[in-house]
Amino acid sequence: QKEVEQNSGPLSVPEGAIASLNCTYSDRGSQSFFWYRQYSGKSPELIMFIYSNGDKEDGRFTAQLNKASQYVSLLIRDSQPSDSATYLCAVRSSGYSSASKIIFGSGTRLSIRP
Amino acid sequence: EAQVTQNPRYLITVTGKKLTVTCSQNMNHEYMSWYRQDPGLGLRQIYYSMNVEVTDKGDVPEGYKVSRKEKRNFPLILESPSPNQTSLYFCASSLRQTSTDTQYFGPGTRLTVL
Repeated sequence: QKEVEQNSGPLSVPEGAIASLNCTYSDRGSQSFFWYRQYSGKSPELIMFIYSNGDKEDGRFTAQLNKASQYVSLLIRDSQPSDSATYLCAVRSSGYSSASKIIFGSGTRLSIRP
Repeated sequence: EAQVTQNPRYLITVTGKKLTVTCSQNMNHEYMSWYRQDPGLGLRQIYYSMNVEVTDKGDVPEGYKVSRKEKRNFPLILESPSPNQTSLYFCASSLRQTSTDTQYFGPGTRLTVL
């Protein structure tokens, strides 16, 4: 079982709709969760991070975390063509040690169709 | 401007010819890391450094070396490159490696080993 799993997609969503991206993780000790957006051939760009159970909203983006289910999601409202990219889920375990590192999922490719 | 820079951005080389990819950050970050990204495999950590003169292996360190003599620089060295090291490489940095720290990525280096 991969440590951080995402559906590779592609996920096709009509413009203006809500895109829902999901991620599950295996380490129950994980404390912080990140969503990165990556355009083809470019570097990952941080969109949101979340540490506590529940929802966190930032503009059109909402991150949702459920630690009991080991599940984190990203909702993109009013999807725009510019949202077409690969979205990487990243998970970090707790503590300040060499064991605390970020594990990335392999990403979900999102395509917004006009 | 706060940033992580990498050089070169593109490199085509031949098997066995030693090369170095430089990484530099101007944010006074303690933690730096190298990743490689391959289709379907996501971002995999090669090496990381918690601070000057402190480095450790990530998930895929074979065939790579690093050094951290200065806080701002973290070069990646391929002593004898092989075709399976053809990949997209990213350097990243964060202030430290606590659960609340986020990583910032360089623009990437696309390496082809013939």
